[in-house]
Amino acid sequence: GQNIDQPTEMTATEGAIVQINCTYQTSGFNGLFWYQQHAGEAPTFLSYNVLDGLEEKGRFSSFLSRSKGYSYLLLKELQMKDSASYLCAVIDSNYQLIWGAGTKLIIKP
Amino acid sequence: IAGITQAPTSQILAAGRRMTLRCTQDMRHNAMYWYRQDLGLGLRLIHYSNTAGTTGKGEVPDGYSVSRANTDDFPLTLASAVPSQTSVYFCASSRGGDDNEQFFGPGTRLTVL
Repeated sequence: GQNIDQPTEMTATEGAIVQINCTYQTSGFNGLFWYQQHAGEAPTFLSYNVLDGLEEKGRFSSFLSRSKGYSYLLLKELQMKDSASYLCAVIDSNYQLIWGAGTKLIIKP
Repeated sequence: IAGITQAPTSQILAAGRRMTLRCTQDMRHNAMYWYRQDLGLGLRLIHYSNTAGTTGKGEVPDGYSVSRANTDDFPLTLASAVPSQTSVYFCASSRGGDDNEQFFGPGTRLTVL
């Protein structure tokens, strides 16, 4: 079967750095997305990785290792507004998006 | 319209009733999707459509049907609602092909009593 694992919940302090991990076992791989979802709202796109390495976009970076079936989302200089769920999703061999259950990130002052 | 819209925003429905959730996008995206999101389970794909005139079953299709008569609209129908269909429903769209970034509508919160 296909599986994506993320921690259920993480807590971090305002101004700090947090890393949210995602491991996957899927039938094929054609890319990986990270989405952000605030409570009661729709998911919104954060990043896309298809090649190994680090993609940086402002305070957010995403890393991919295809050989390890592993990705992480790095959030720097945390702000209270970063409190949200972060969803990892993998494109499988049929070009379908397989979603993880999401990681709820709680930011404390 | 800008992006993707859903209606209604929320609905309380008696079990056994028929209900259609509406989804419209104005981005001329080829592919559209319906998900349900339940606490602790993440997004689960119900049905999808890669292009107008075609549909496919996702992970949890039972009790739901869809149609894709044109590019813009992708309604989801519950023929006879049951309490286990209480959930938040998200419609999404993407350009399709090898461009899989999905854009989400605001969601419909459905309660079946």
